[in-house]
Amino acid sequence: GAGVSQSPSNKVTEKGKDVELRCDPISGHTALYWYRQSLGQGLEFLIYFQGNSAPDKSGLPSDRFSAERTGGSVSTLTIQRTQQEDSAVYLCASSLGTFDPRYFGPGTRLTVL
Amino acid sequence: EDQVTQSPEALRLQEGESSSLNCSYTVSGLRGLFWYRQDPGKGPEFLFTLYSAGEEKEKERLKATLTKKESFLHITAPKPEDSATYLCAVQASDDYKLSFGAGTTVTVRA
Repeated sequence: GAGVSQSPSNKVTEKGKDVELRCDPISGHTALYWYRQSLGQGLEFLIYFQGNSAPDKSGLPSDRFSAERTGGSVSTLTIQRTQQEDSAVYLCASSLGTFDPRYFGPGTRLTVL
Repeated sequence: EDQVTQSPEALRLQEGESSSLNCSYTVSGLRGLFWYRQDPGKGPEFLFTLYSAGEEKEKERLKATLTKKESFLHITAPKPEDSATYLCAVQASDDYKLSFGAGTTVTVRA
């Protein structure tokens, strides 16, 4: 079956611009997660959705970051007024439930110039 | 706070040379320990979940084991295609989050 998909695969933007990253989870997966992976760093948790609700937004690095999920499916991570330190690979994962394995998408590589 | 430490950071093996990766963890009640494989430029690929001490799981040349303090990923007679970064993560019984280790990068030379 289809796995988690993310778009775009690569995004280059200028400092100060806004960007939107999209995630299509595996069909039927109610839980969705966003992570960030910087060069040489481990996976940093950003936000978790159960259905369309985000019970925990504490991992978001600043108020420039926001995310939403609609229809219990597609999720969008928005970064406003991008900074160079936002450059990283943004990974999305989904799971059947919160105690099931996460299945990751290929990631979006964001470069802020 | 949950902690996951993986060692070594990097491992270079000759094809056919078996070895083990270590994942040490501290967690307040383990719900599950997860192993992932990550190839360059790709997202992590799920390998195994282990739930209780003594449990073992196998997939091709990989075998994961679990004790109360650590997990091992054994690679038997590795091939160059086993080259990747292997990530370990733990989930506490009362938490939805996974805490990831920094990973072990395995390079297998032909």
